[in-house]
Formats: sequence, C-alpha cells, structure tokens
Amino acid sequence: RKEVEQDPGPFNVPEGATVAFNCTYSNSASQSFFWYRQDCRKEPKLLMSVYSSGNEDGRFTAQLNRASQYISLLIRDSKLSDSATYLCVVNGGSYIPTFGRGTSLIVHP
Amino acid sequence: GAGVSQSPRYKVAKRGQDVALRCDPISGHVSLFWYQQALGQGPEFLTYFQNEAQLDKSGLPSDRFFAERPEGSVSTLKIQRTQQEDSAVYLCASSPLVGGAQETQYFGPGTRLLVL
Repeated sequence: RKEVEQDPGPFNVPEGATVAFNCTYSNSASQSFFWYRQDCRKEPKLLMSVYSSGNEDGRFTAQLNRASQYISLLIRDSKLSDSATYLCVVNGGSYIPTFGRGTSLIVHP
Repeated sequence: GAGVSQSPRYKVAKRGQDVALRCDPISGHVSLFWYQQALGQGPEFLTYFQNEAQLDKSGLPSDRFFAERPEGSVSTLKIQRTQQEDSAVYLCASSPLVGGAQETQYFGPGTRLLVL
C-alpha cells in the first residue's frame, strides 16, 4: 500500500458544481498536510495547508480526519479555471514530504 | 520577486550521457528539495538540503544520481550514464525555513529530461 493514495480521476463536472476529493495516508504519525494544484506541464503550486480544525479559503475547504487518516478538499461553485490536477502532500514527521499521484479535475461549460 | 528557476528547461540526452540540472532557489531559502515526476504521477522525493548540508538522499534511485549545494544556494543534480528510465521531469523546490517538508514549498518550472 502506498503511503499516500488519491483517486486519479478524472472528475468531470459542470461549471457551478461542488466536487470533493479525498486523500488517504498510512502513517499515523503524519504531522502536516497540504493541497497543491498542478496545471498541465506546469509546476505544483500551494493551494492550501490543512489544519486540524479544518480551513476555508473562498470556494475551497480542506479538512483533516486523523481517526480515519484522510484529508479532503471541497470545491464549491466550480469554475473552468479550476481544471487542474490536485496533489495532496503529507509529511510523516521527517524531512521527506510524500505526494499523492494527484486527482485530475475537468470542469466543463 | 524572483521565484525558483531551473535550467535547462528541456534536455535530450543519448543513453549513457551524463547530464547536469541546475536549480536556483529563492534567495535566502534554507531548504531545497529535488523531485522526480513521471508522467501521470506525483513528484517523488529525491533529496533534501538544509543550506549546504545534504540531510537526506534516500530517494536517489541509484548511485548514478548525485546532488550538491556547495554554497547553500544554487544546487546541481547530476545524472551519470543516463538510461531511458531516467526520462522524467525533475523539479526543484525551496522553502524559507528549516522546517523542510512541514512548510510551503515553492517549485521551479522543472527540467524535462528525455533519454533516447
């Protein structure tokens, strides 16, 4: 089992839809969690950090469920510009961040 | 301000050739990471520097891979005797503090390596 797992998708949704992705991790000692966005043939960019209490940034909400060892990303009112790959990143307490393989989102008109 | 830069952006190498990939992190950033990203996969950790010290190189796939950051700023990833399976995008990322993986990383645009 991989340390960090994501459904690769693609998730194909219409504009205005709400979509959610999960990312499961295997190391219960993991301490920090992030969501990054990667556009096609571009570098990853931080979307948001994931805090224990959950956090929201505009249309994006991230949550952490330590008991079940997953993090989630919810996108409300999807825009065409949200089309990208969403990477979750988990740090198990070492210097080494572990990336998931990413979930592809396609928002269509 | 200037972000992380990498050069070359594209590299085509013949099998067996040595290549050197350069990363210029954001000025003053302490932590520097190298990753390898295959098509359709997430970035895979290769190595981590804190200033000039290479604290972790557990992700380097073989002894053909070597990385350095001699003055704590620019870093070079060298691949000797390249093989076709080395074809990938090599990403460099930096972060400002010593927290390494526990804080935001800023990525460069990557070097796309194709080994023929």
